[in-house]
Amino acid sequence: AQSVTQLGSHVSVSEGALVLLRCNYSSSVPPYLFWYVQYPNQGLQLLLKYTTGATLVKGINGFEAEFKKSETSFHLTKPSAHMSDAAEYFCAVSAGGSQGNLIFGKGTKLSVKP
Amino acid sequence: EPEVTQTPSHQVTQMGQEVILRCVPISNHLYFYWYRQILGQKVEFLVSFYNNEISEKSEIFDDQFSVERPDGSNFTLKIRSTKLEDSAMYFCASSPKSRVGYEQYFGPGTRLTVT
Repeated sequence: AQSVTQLGSHVSVSEGALVLLRCNYSSSVPPYLFWYVQYPNQGLQLLLKYTTGATLVKGINGFEAEFKKSETSFHLTKPSAHMSDAAEYFCAVSAGGSQGNLIFGKGTKLSVKP
Repeated sequence: EPEVTQTPSHQVTQMGQEVILRCVPISNHLYFYWYRQILGQKVEFLVSFYNNEISEKSEIFDDQFSVERPDGSNFTLKIRSTKLEDSAMYFCASSPKSRVGYEQYFGPGTRLTVT
């Protein structure tokens, strides 16, 4: 069975600092991995995804994530935080069934200090 | 840009009452999902729906729950007799394809409060 663990329910960084949000997964099949972001009062928006191929994946708003099979990780990074990055971030793995329903982590709330 | 919409944004109901949560998926999408998030917990899969029938469902999706696509545009989640533990944020999602790894587009959610 698939599962996702996000380390740190709340991360706070200063504007301009590196953002690192951690995600580890467990999967019995080759995983498909996703990062979603949720801004207040909005739905979940896809930031980026890994399916196959290049392990470093670039997404929207300057975010990227690297799939590391040996570490079962898919950490999300951004070199320089912006105030507008403050939101909740969810890591997810595809369950592998025919419909591809997603299994989510608990989410990490990112705060950006001026 | 097309988006998934959900109504209402917040629903308060008494225990034992029936509620219907409504979603309008993106118009050319064929696969539909409901997820929920109890406060402080993970977003959990409830059910997927394709071609007017349930494709997959989780253990959470028991006989109290049902889904329907009544008119070709709306996609509804019905809870027949709500319990306190049904209080959660309910998200609808849709996808043009079901192939594993394909993106799902989420709505803003309906916050259900059962008193």
